[in-house]
Amino acid sequence: GQNIDQPTEMTATEGAIVQINCTYQTSGFNGLFWYQQHAGEAPTFLSYNVLDGLEEKGRFSSFLSRSKGYSYLLLKELQMKDSASYLCAAGGNSGYALNFGKGTSLLVTP
Amino acid sequence: DVKVTQSSRYLVKRTGEKVFLECVQDMDHENMFWYRQDPGLGLRLIYFSYDVKMKEKGDIPEGYSVSREKKERFSLILESASTNQTSMYLCASSLWQRTLYGYTFGSGTRLTVV
Repeated sequence: GQNIDQPTEMTATEGAIVQINCTYQTSGFNGLFWYQQHAGEAPTFLSYNVLDGLEEKGRFSSFLSRSKGYSYLLLKELQMKDSASYLCAAGGNSGYALNFGKGTSLLVTP
Repeated sequence: DVKVTQSSRYLVKRTGEKVFLECVQDMDHENMFWYRQDPGLGLRLIYFSYDVKMKEKGDIPEGYSVSREKKERFSLILESASTNQTSMYLCASSLWQRTLYGYTFGSGTRLTVV
């Protein structure tokens, strides 16, 4: 199987920058995803990395280092609506299926 | 707007009942998945399917079965519901390449077994 680790909770201030880390151990790695999930709602796709480096999309960026089994999601200019759970997921041995970390609950405070 | 639709948002069933959770997608996606989500445990893969009539076991298939008779529909079956199957169930679909766009999730079914 795969082991995906990310912090359980984080708190940050509105307008600040926050970095959510994710480490993974997997064989047959074929991509790293980040999802956002607001309470009581379904996860929604944020980003996908398959090659090393930084992918930027507006206020959100995601970084991957395959040699280190490491990714992070960077959220800039935090807004209150960014309070949510952020899920790291990796594809690997299960063919087309993703394995998810337990999620990082981010609280943005005024 | 593309959609994955789960038939029920909330469901309450009795122990021992046979339970069907339905999922339909309108995106012509090849792959479909069933996960359950529990506090502190995250999303865990139950079953997935990459084609009609094909199914693959995920990490926690015990007590569940699935059916995929048509490309757009993927059903999760709890053969004899138990209280430890109380959970949020999420269906998802994806293109066979699974690149760039990842999964599209349904809104979830919160199942309570009493």
